[in-house]
Amino acid sequence: GAVVSQHPSRVICKSGTSVKIECRSLDFQATTMFWYRQFPKQSLMLMATSNEGSKATYEQGVEKDKFLINHASLTLSTLTVTSAHPEDSSFYICSASQMADTQYFGPGTRLTVL
Amino acid sequence: GQQLNQSPQSMFIQEGEDVSMNCTSSSIFNTWLWYKQDPGEGPVLLIALYKAGELTSNGRLTAQFGITRKDSFLNISASIPSDVGIYFCAGSYNTNAGKSTFGDGTTLTVKP
Repeated sequence: GAVVSQHPSRVICKSGTSVKIECRSLDFQATTMFWYRQFPKQSLMLMATSNEGSKATYEQGVEKDKFLINHASLTLSTLTVTSAHPEDSSFYICSASQMADTQYFGPGTRLTVL
Repeated sequence: GQQLNQSPQSMFIQEGEDVSMNCTSSSIFNTWLWYKQDPGEGPVLLIALYKAGELTSNGRLTAQFGITRKDSFLNISASIPSDVGIYFCAGSYNTNAGKSTFGDGTTLTVKP
């Protein structure tokens, strides 16, 4: 139980394009989903918290117009990196929570912006 | 904000040895979680602790929620090569919108 999927697992795009990443909870309804960014050999950096049907709450320093988050249902959240640039290249990981405080992570998406 | 100190940063051990890592916080938590991350993958939940003093096992793994609610440890017994990876602790407090604070990770290398 508590399986979270992410799609795509890898994406390469040209600078200036937008990329959408999907996060799905497959066998449970997630009251909250989280989006993280991870740089090599570093810990997880929380970008935003989203609840179904409401606007995402972004962490300080994360541009909400750059990283658009939509939480359309209790099983799906999407992160869109708009007008991507090489500095946006990173490993993006989502997590989903059903029970308070316990997060289950997706497998991650490797974004490379050329 | 809340900060976690996770130690050690890295460990190099022989197969069969036991491993111990811990996390300490300046603030109390209601939940302690331990995750393992393999390269290029998302973290996988190993053990969740919800009560101060709780001691929980998952196979060769044992974790405890410190009685002060400010620390937790994870032990791995009789390590095997597939234990290699990065282990993260995470603490959360239920008034923080479900957000967790993560340690910087412990990188474990197991020599056969």
